[in-house]
Amino acid sequence: AQSVSQHNHHVILSEAASLELGCNYSYGGTVNLFWYVQYPGQHLQLLLKYFSGDPLVKGIKGFEAEFIKSKFSFNLRKPSVQWSDTAEYFCAVKGAAGNKLTFGGGTRVLVKP
Amino acid sequence: DAGITQSPRYKITETGRQVTLMCHQTWSHSYMFWYRQDLGHGLRLIYYSAAADITDKGEVPDGYVVSRSKTENFPLTLESATRSQTSVYFCASSVQAGGDTQYFGPGTRLTVL
Repeated sequence: AQSVSQHNHHVILSEAASLELGCNYSYGGTVNLFWYVQYPGQHLQLLLKYFSGDPLVKGIKGFEAEFIKSKFSFNLRKPSVQWSDTAEYFCAVKGAAGNKLTFGGGTRVLVKP
Repeated sequence: DAGITQSPRYKITETGRQVTLMCHQTWSHSYMFWYRQDLGHGLRLIYYSAAADITDKGEVPDGYVVSRSKTENFPLTLESATRSQTSVYFCASSVQAGGDTQYFGPGTRLTVL
């Protein structure tokens, strides 16, 4: 069975600091990887996704993620955060031939103005 | 463009009562999903549906029933609500399961007393 682990449950940053959120997955085959974001009071939105090709994926709002197959990781990064990046971030994985997403436990990010 | 809607947005019920959460999408997406979101667990898949009249269990299906008589609707029923089913419930849809993006509804916050 596939699983996803997000290392940090809570992260507190100041504006302009760099952000990196860890995500490791467990799955034996080819995967599709996703990062979703949930802003306070809102529903989940897709930040970025990886299917194949360039392992460095760029998403919306200046976020990017790097797929490192040898480490089973898909870490999310942003060089300079803003107060509006305060949200909960979820990593998710799906077997390429499957149809079910498995989510990590989420990381709550608080950006102090 | 309404997208994906859920009703009610908030619900308080008592142990043992039957509760139905509604999900409606206007995109004619084939796939629909129900998740529950609990602190520390991220999102966990309850049930999903590949098309009208085709449903399958997810990770945590016990205590829940779904149906899909029409493509656009995917109601989730708690036949006899328990306190452990207090959660936030999200419905999602996607064009196809593949590597496709899932689009999420705004969620229903359910409290079982």
